[in-house]
Amino acid sequence: GAGVSQSPRYKVAKRGQDVALRCDPISGHVSLFWYQQALGQGPEFLTYFQNEAQLDKSGLPSDRFFAERPEGSVSTLKIQRTQQEDSAVYLCASSPRGGRNTEAFFGQGTRLTVV
Amino acid sequence: ILNVEQSPQSLHVQEGDSTNFTCSFPSSNFYALHWYRWETAKSPEALFVMTLNGDEKKKGRISATLNTKEGYSYLYIKGSQPEDSATYLCASTSGSARQLTFGSGTQLTVLP
Repeated sequence: GAGVSQSPRYKVAKRGQDVALRCDPISGHVSLFWYQQALGQGPEFLTYFQNEAQLDKSGLPSDRFFAERPEGSVSTLKIQRTQQEDSAVYLCASSPRGGRNTEAFFGQGTRLTVV
Repeated sequence: ILNVEQSPQSLHVQEGDSTNFTCSFPSSNFYALHWYRWETAKSPEALFVMTLNGDEKKKGRISATLNTKEGYSYLYIKGSQPEDSATYLCASTSGSARQLTFGSGTQLTVLP
């Protein structure tokens, strides 16, 4: 596709359940970011990949959060033993290079609700 | 300023009115300032990326200015239209970090 694709668009999980969120970046984009947006707040950084290398995971809130991008394209964000505070919109963004002044292209997000 | 802050939080204007919002960001180690428009049920869409003090950018009826010395940016919309209704996010990059640090956004509603 032409843009960044995320799936599923919506996910309802029972507390304690594991979830996996998928991001298909724009083909050829080197950089991939995951952000978490809680209600009423701006997106907050979770983790950054350059190709298959996870260069920064300082924003992951706990060791229940894990992200991978094994072949440098599709990325998966996994959340184990979900808690209510994990309810948020999870946004994926990709950019063609790693530059800090490069425009990032976002997906529509996955809205996770933990009940 | 330690964080990226945006004001107002929300705004209602009449069709045809011009409006503007403010983004404040840390000026130390500043690298770039990004503006995004996020319409409901769509992806955030990049409007502008600015790096230099005094930068002004324009896209149709929307323009933005940047003051890196005092750490603020203004976004202007001239002659607002209902299709301008969206949340406008600003974000900065600083130091060697690659990620964006976002404000909480300004939610604009343009009434017909």
